[in-house]
Amino acid sequence: DGGITQSPKYLFRKEGQNVTLSCEQNLNHDAMYWYRQDPGQGLRLIYYSQIVNDFQKGDIAEGYSVSREKKESFPLTVTSAQKNPTAFYLCASSMRGPDTQYFGPGTRLTVL
Amino acid sequence: QKEVEQDPGPLSVPEGAIVSLNCTYSNSAFQYFMWYRQYSRKGPELLMYTYSSGNKEDGRFTAQVDKSSKYISLFIRDSQPSDSATYLCAISGGADGLTFGKGTHLIIQP
Repeated sequence: DGGITQSPKYLFRKEGQNVTLSCEQNLNHDAMYWYRQDPGQGLRLIYYSQIVNDFQKGDIAEGYSVSREKKESFPLTVTSAQKNPTAFYLCASSMRGPDTQYFGPGTRLTVL
Repeated sequence: QKEVEQDPGPLSVPEGAIVSLNCTYSNSAFQYFMWYRQYSRKGPELLMYTYSSGNKEDGRFTAQVDKSSKYISLFIRDSQPSDSATYLCAISGGADGLTFGKGTHLIIQP
């Protein structure tokens, strides 16, 4: 089955730790995206990548980092510099930039 | 002015009613219009996609776009309790992805 997978589903982090969220897609999509969702805030774009080995900052990139070494993978690292990391993180992919996006199931990160 | 405005609700209607969900946008360069449905603690699921003014129907769902008014709507006929979810409008005009509304929380009362 084609789709987008995210792992883990739930993640707990102590303050000061970096954590990496996994996102994998087997849809052969060129573009991949990371969003953060907070109650009442909607979806906010963190980073996006249109092609392997290239990515751009979204609206709220501070405290986050990404890599795109393979077409099917786009991991997100939440660093200790992110002041309020507790949120629901969603990964998405699309065939190309302006196209419809398909979302993974999400990872809920909680900082203890 | 925000690029995409969407009433957060909650919107509560009885089962079987026709539901109307709406978004307005400010950037006339936007070309692609989508509606997503999101159940609690799940990823958004694409419902409808259109790129032109007019109506597009898919089963009980109808998406309507009025580019002259910068207004998009999603209609749900014969609403069911399983339609209870948050509905997100999303609009695209460039390579950096979609601009989302904040979502409308819909409750269908049995």
